[in-house]
Amino acid sequence: DTEVTQTPKHLVMGMTNKKSLKCEQHMGHRAMYWYKQKAKKPPELMFVYSYEKLSINESVPSRFSPECPNSSLLNLHLHALQPEDSALYLCASSPWGASDEKLFFGSGTQLSVL
Amino acid sequence: DQQVKQNSPSLSVQEGRISILNCDYTNSMFDYFLWYKKYPAEGPTFLISISSIKDKNEDGRFTVFLNKSAKHLSLHIVPSQPGDSAVYFCAASARTGNQFYFGTGTSLTVIP
Repeated sequence: DTEVTQTPKHLVMGMTNKKSLKCEQHMGHRAMYWYKQKAKKPPELMFVYSYEKLSINESVPSRFSPECPNSSLLNLHLHALQPEDSALYLCASSPWGASDEKLFFGSGTQLSVL
Repeated sequence: DQQVKQNSPSLSVQEGRISILNCDYTNSMFDYFLWYKKYPAEGPTFLISISSIKDKNEDGRFTVFLNKSAKHLSLHIVPSQPGDSAVYFCAASARTGNQFYFGTGTSLTVIP
């Protein structure tokens, strides 16, 4: 299994809603990532978990709250988002420490904030 | 500051010809480079990588060249096929950090 599975694929939410994005991988990878991508822009790193601990937080606003319940699962909790947070949210995983380290991406959640 | 740059936002190539996508980087600590391909509304998929100890890596129709002195890499696709039409991102990392820095992408269109 070389897949990273993200749900939901699409999400529309209001600025007062609370929602969660979910990500799962069964490749035994020890690092999981959240990226945000706007149209015609590169993926922008938000968070990195390694061995289930938050290792990188790229100064992301607190309305985004990551959670890593175990080594296979990664969540992103959303609360009081702004319309400018509308983007494609990508989850990725990597082995962590491999000589040929690379990211495996999910297909993303297209988020629209109204 | 963008540490990885792709200066051509778009490229059109005839089917069967060579596609050359370019990427420049500024951080001399980067020692591992990757190319990803992305279709609309999908996540990027890994294409090919190269370590800084090499100057060329080949995988089928895809070859990546690395010029460390110029801090430049390129992806060659030969022959180009319509299914290659996608956005291509190059990425770089310094392996001690496990952070990947992405370029702004080049949209490739292969014309049948």
